[in-house]
Amino acid sequence: ETGVTQSPTHLIKTRGQQVTLRCSSQSGHNTVSWYQQALGQGPQFIFQYYREEENGRGNFPPRFSGLQFPNYSSELNVNALELDDSALYLCASGSAVPGELFFGEGSRLTVL
Amino acid sequence: GQQVMQIPQYQHVQEGEDFTTYCNSSTTLSNIQWYKQRPGGHPVFLIQLVKSGEVKKQKRLTFQFGEAKKNSSLHITATQTTDVGTYFCAELGAQKLVFGQGTRLTINP
Repeated sequence: ETGVTQSPTHLIKTRGQQVTLRCSSQSGHNTVSWYQQALGQGPQFIFQYYREEENGRGNFPPRFSGLQFPNYSSELNVNALELDDSALYLCASGSAVPGELFFGEGSRLTVL
Repeated sequence: GQQVMQIPQYQHVQEGEDFTTYCNSSTTLSNIQWYKQRPGGHPVFLIQLVKSGEVKKQKRLTFQFGEAKKNSSLHITATQTTDVGTYFCAELGAQKLVFGQGTRLTINP
């Protein structure tokens, strides 16, 4: 419905492991943003990519990193997982003109 | 940094009652967006307000942006069970959305 797909939908990792989450956004949407949503909270901005370059970053440590590819896909990588990283990770795409963002259904990460 | 405060945190109503959630900021907002997130779902864009005093309607939903652009509200008339979910306001700033904490709406049928 939004044209933004994320994978995997659910995953479980243990503390200290690394995880890669993937997002495929709408054709023509050249910005992609990642958000972390802890249970019962609003989404928190992690970073945004525009034309394959990081274009803004929230208050997250360097172990959160990303990539954007020419085919409108994107990755979020988290190293050295901590228990507090357990959350729903949302990908959102949009055009370069500020306005409506289209969110994917999210990847729910549980860190044990 | 930017902060958008949203109240109430929870609201439980009987089906058919009205519902309102409020969004407040200590600084002037350049815009305000509203999202709905169903339980287990993802945020879905509802509307964007940009102008001072703007009022927009979508069927039973009425959105307002304050004259000073420091507050906004979402009002649902005659709630239905399909309205269940968490409603978020958010300001779209440079590169990012800053979300409020959300108001979780539950409805007794």
